[in-house]
Order: sequence, then C-alpha cells, then structure tokens
Amino acid sequence: DGGITQSPKYLFRKEGQNVTLSCEQNLNHDAMYWYRQDPGQGLRLIYYSQIVNDFQKGDIAEGYSVSREKKESFPLTVTSAQKNPTAFYLCASSSLHRGQGARSSGNTIYFGEGSWLTVV
Amino acid sequence: SQQGEEDPQALSIQEGENATMNCSYKTSINNLQWYRQNSGRGLVHLILIRSNEREKHSGRLRVTLDTSKKSSSLLITASRAADTASYFCATALNTGTASKLTFGTGTRLQVTL
Repeated sequence: DGGITQSPKYLFRKEGQNVTLSCEQNLNHDAMYWYRQDPGQGLRLIYYSQIVNDFQKGDIAEGYSVSREKKESFPLTVTSAQKNPTAFYLCASSSLHRGQGARSSGNTIYFGEGSWLTVV
Repeated sequence: SQQGEEDPQALSIQEGENATMNCSYKTSINNLQWYRQNSGRGLVHLILIRSNEREKHSGRLRVTLDTSKKSSSLLITASRAADTASYFCATALNTGTASKLTFGTGTRLQVTL
C-alpha cells in the first residue's frame, strides 16, 4: 500500500527531553512537510524539504529540528527548547509542482495519520 | 500566520441537507485547496481550484473561487452522516517547487440522521 507512515501514534515527553517523530513515505515524492495542529485549530508549517539533504524553516520552526538523509524519510525532533510541544503533528508529502502562477500544477499534499505528543 | 479563515466555525445539519462553508484569505494565491479531517486523523485532499478558475465540481462537492473578494466556498450537497468532519481551506504559496500550504482554522461539520 502506498502512503505515509508516521510513528509513534502517541508519545509522551518529559520536561527537558528531546523526542523524535518518524515519517516515512513510499510515494516517491520529492517534497515532505511537517505541520503542527493544536486542538480546534488549523495547521501550521514547521519545516519542509524539497530535496534530500536540504530543508527550509516554516512559520514555527523554533524548538524543532529535521533531517532529510533519504528521500523516503523526514524525521522531526522536538527539542527541549520547544516550550509548548503538546500538539498533534502531521507529516505530509507531495510531488514538485511545475509551471508558474495559475498554470502551475498545484500539487496535492498527502498526509500521514498524525502523531500525538504530550508533555508529562 | 493563518492565511485563511473559515466561516462558520461549526455547522450542524440534518442528513440530506446541503452544507456550505466559506473561506477568506489575505494575499494573492496560485490555487486554493479544500481538505477534510476526521477527528484525530490526517487530512484528505478533496479538491483544488486554480486562481484562474471560478467554479469546480467533484461528485457532491462544488467549490467556487472569487479572487476579487479573496474568498472561496465549499458546498456539499445531499449530505450524509459520513460527511461529519472538519473541513479546511488551504492556499498555496508555491515556493520554489514545493507546495507550501497555509491552512485556515476549519469548519466543524456535524451531520445528524
């Protein structure tokens, strides 16, 4: 089955700990993303990557780190510097769009099932 | 920052009725997408409309886009209990070749029997 696999589904973090959320995709997509969702809210972009060994900060990158050593994998580390990490984390992937403006292919983003992180 | 704002925040209707959700955004866009999220799950893409399109249909879904008003609407016709979910609009700011989506706050739709 093609798709995006996130693990673990539920994770508990103690104060001061770093934790890593796994994201693997077998869709052969070049671009991968991490979003954070707080209860009753929309999604906010943490980091994204368009190619192996390269990634860019999103809107709320502080306290998070990522790596992209393989095309299929884009793990997210929530560091102790993230003061309010309790949230639902969503990984996503897409192919790269072509064209400009309204003529661009505007690629669909495919999401994993998410990981719940709670600070205890 | 949240680019899109959905209205209403919550909507409760009976099965068979139509559901209309609206989305407003702030800056110029290349395209706008609608996604659905069941509680505690990932998001599923529903439909994409480009900035040079005004209306698009997919099954029971109808999306409109008014770039002059910076707004879009999603209509679900003949709703079913299985349509109960949160619906998000997302605007695409294509950065390089990745689709960097900015999501609204969502509309929670409840369809009762």
